[in-house]
Amino acid sequence: DAKTTQPNSMESNEEEPVHLPCNHSTISGTDYIHWYRQLPSQGPEYVIHGLTSNVNNRMASLAIAEDRKSSTLILHRATLRDAAVYYCILRAYSWGKLQFGAGTQVVVTP
Amino acid sequence: DAGVTQSPTHLIKTRGQQVTLRCSPKSGHDTVSWYQQALGQGPQFIFQYYEEEERQRGNFPDRFSGHQFPNYSSELNVNALLLGDSALYLCASSLAYSNQPQHFGDGTRLSIL
Repeated sequence: DAKTTQPNSMESNEEEPVHLPCNHSTISGTDYIHWYRQLPSQGPEYVIHGLTSNVNNRMASLAIAEDRKSSTLILHRATLRDAAVYYCILRAYSWGKLQFGAGTQVVVTP
Repeated sequence: DAGVTQSPTHLIKTRGQQVTLRCSPKSGHDTVSWYQQALGQGPQFIFQYYEEEERQRGNFPDRFSGHQFPNYSSELNVNALLLGDSALYLCASSLAYSNQPQHFGDGTRLSIL
């Protein structure tokens, strides 16, 4: 299974953008790139996913490199509620299992 | 529209006992996956159920078993509990053959004494 590499932690000021990088150099052509986040004492929450093209939704944007070996999750204006562990996951097919790594702990300071 | 619900929220057991955890999927979903999350780590995939059958399984021993009912709800059973089974057990539901994400419940915290 293809794996992802993320920084252990990132810090941001409130109302500033946050760019979360993810490397996935062994990604296959059919792997979808998914992002989930987990707030304290809650289950993971879906954020966004994509295959080849950049994606936007109400929560975030996903920028995918042209060679698909890396991607960046963009939180446009961080709020205190965005403090969570963010997981970048490759999903082998659209409804397969999710393989979580250690994720990136995002700290948002007022 | 209720999301994924899990019960109980907390459970304390002793070594050697057996436990059953329950999950009701989000309305409209037909697939249930179970994950184990140890403290400070990411969730680890246990298995996935669809059409009342185990479709995929992660690297977990046979002590971990499951079941899916005709109404799509699911149970996770763990026999001969070990101290290392202490973890947060997460259930996620999804719709088979769709490109939609998995929706997670808030988990059952299992503590083994």
